[in-house]
Amino acid sequence: SAVISQKPSRDICQRGTSLTIQCQVDSQVTMMFWYRQQPGQSLTLIATANQGSEATYESGFVIDKFPISRPNLTFSTLTVSNMSPEDSSIYLCSATGRAVYEQYFGPGTRLTVT
Amino acid sequence: GEDVEQSLFLSVREGDSSVINCTYTDSSSTYLYWYKQEPGAGLQLLTYIFSNMDMKQDQRLTVLLNKKDKHLSLRIADTQTGDSAIYFCAESMAAGNKLTFGGGTRVLVKP
Repeated sequence: SAVISQKPSRDICQRGTSLTIQCQVDSQVTMMFWYRQQPGQSLTLIATANQGSEATYESGFVIDKFPISRPNLTFSTLTVSNMSPEDSSIYLCSATGRAVYEQYFGPGTRLTVT
Repeated sequence: GEDVEQSLFLSVREGDSSVINCTYTDSSSTYLYWYKQEPGAGLQLLTYIFSNMDMKQDQRLTVLLNKKDKHLSLRIADTQTGDSAIYFCAESMAAGNKLTFGGGTRVLVKP
């Protein structure tokens, strides 16, 4: 399995500011993804983080709001820009394992925007 | 489009078996997954099944897939209090593709 860590684990941010979340995988992986889990809800994919190129965003998510970087095969960042209270969610990073059909998740970053 | 549905809640007595059900709409779903989320934690991959399989057993977990009815179930034998969590089913069209999740089933195990 892939072991995934995220930083920070939680944060409380002011409206209008930005937060960058880091995701580190313990081995080189093919695919990395960012998901959002709104309070009491299921997970929704924000984007696929592509190594060395622009991320692929899902409908309803845009690069200006959620810029993503993936400089190498083990690391990615997600920035939540110009935050509003509606951005309060858990943000989870995931990555495929050695078997590409296995997908593992980090512990999540719990974001509260006041 | 893709749609994955689960019942919201399941209550079970410790020691009994739990069965969590999931239906999906996309017949192209190739990989089907079960994840567990405990309070304040991320998602733990419990098990998965390929669409060309009917059943997969892994210790206390049994996954059944009825591809004709697009129905997936997870049976937990000898349910323990530590099994209390939210269980998500998810599907993927291809290896390494994004996952589409169901809404989650909250399982409460009573002593």
